[in-house]
Amino acid sequence: DAKTTQPNSMESNEEEPVHLPCNHSTISGTDYIHWYRQLPSQGPEYVIHGLTSNVNNRMASLAIAEDRKSSTLILHRATLRDAAVYYCILRDGSGGSNYKLTFGKGTLLTVNP
Amino acid sequence: GAGVSQTPSNKVTEKGKYVELRCDPISGHTALYWYRQSLGQGPEFLIYFQGTGAADDSGLPNDRFFAVRPEGSVSTLKIQRTERGDSAVYLCASSTGLAGLDTQYFGPGTRLTVL
Repeated sequence: DAKTTQPNSMESNEEEPVHLPCNHSTISGTDYIHWYRQLPSQGPEYVIHGLTSNVNNRMASLAIAEDRKSSTLILHRATLRDAAVYYCILRDGSGGSNYKLTFGKGTLLTVNP
Repeated sequence: GAGVSQTPSNKVTEKGKYVELRCDPISGHTALYWYRQSLGQGPEFLIYFQGTGAADDSGLPNDRFFAVRPEGSVSTLKIQRTERGDSAVYLCASSTGLAGLDTQYFGPGTRLTVL
């Protein structure tokens, strides 16, 4: 399975933008890039996903590099509620065992008031 | 609407005892997953159900672990002869099962402590 690399931790100030990077240099052409986050004492929750084009939703934006070897999750205005562990996950769109979410250690985001 | 619920939220047991952890998925979701999360780690896949059958149980660590979903809704994860190394948060997730990459919705987890 293609792997992802994320920084262990990042810090941000409230109401400022946050850019969370993810490297996936061995990504295959059918791999989708998914992001989940886990708030303290909760289960993970879906944030966003994409294949090639940048994506926006009400929670965040996903910027995907042209060669797809890296991506960045963008929180436009961080709030205290965004403090969580953010996981970047690759899922194979061609099938196989793509129902499994393979989590790494993720990035622990701290938001300062 | 109601999300995925898990009971109990916390379970403390003694080494060697048997435990059952319950998961109530979102109504109508045919796919159900169990994951285990050790302290400081991301969740690890244990088992995947499509309907009543276990489509993939390759993540179960050994034969002390077993899971069922007899009516295609509620699932129970059963652990026999618990060991201290089984201490972790056990997470359940469900999804519609209609698409290969459908979003998984997680419950809050059951924190299992084996003394």
